[in-house]
Amino acid sequence: DAGVTQSPTHLIKTRGQQVTLRCSPISGHKSVSWYQQVLGQGPQFIFQYYEKEERGRGNFPDRFSARQFPNYSSELNVNALLLGDSALYLCASSFWDDRGEETQYFGPGTRLLVL
Amino acid sequence: AQKITQTQPGMFVQEKEAVTLDCTYDTSDPSYGLFWYKQPSSGEMIFLIYQGSYDQQNATEGRYSLNFQKARKSANLVISASQLGDSAMYFCAMREGPGGSTLGRLYFGRGTQLTVWP
Repeated sequence: DAGVTQSPTHLIKTRGQQVTLRCSPISGHKSVSWYQQVLGQGPQFIFQYYEKEERGRGNFPDRFSARQFPNYSSELNVNALLLGDSALYLCASSFWDDRGEETQYFGPGTRLLVL
Repeated sequence: AQKITQTQPGMFVQEKEAVTLDCTYDTSDPSYGLFWYKQPSSGEMIFLIYQGSYDQQNATEGRYSLNFQKARKSANLVISASQLGDSAMYFCAMREGPGGSTLGRLYFGRGTQLTVWP
């Protein structure tokens, strides 16, 4: 089975521009989460969606927005890009086991460079 | 306060030896989950192992085991029989709240860079 897929793999933008990142979860997974990983740090939670509804939001400005589509794929949008938005953006989809324990499986990420 | 602390920026181990990567966590929630992920230079986060707060036994997955000491709030990853392909960044992460009823954001540590040498 295919894992989590993300597009594009790399992206270069200039300050002030807008960017859209895309994610497709593992087949059958209904939840998608987005994380930002700045160089040298662990990932930071941005958003979580379940069944097309936002279920959680991290400490990020309103320039960051996301949505989930009926097929459970998701888009992350970032407006008015800043140099500090340069990072690896990771998408994860969630699986619940027989005990109801959730595990998040990550995609390969999108590397965004803002110049 | 940091929810996940990884105090080892880098670790070195010889091939075929065992290595322990440290992780301590901070939460007041009685129900939580602890995870370890591996991140090669390609960037993808690869799930390795999971431990629930109510699990009585330490989790094991092949060469990976999690040394869970609840009273000390530690969840160290033990990799046995290290291989050259184990060289990567390793992240400890925590989800607060019961996994069955809530959707949990993950809190990550800063990671430990493991280098396996021949």
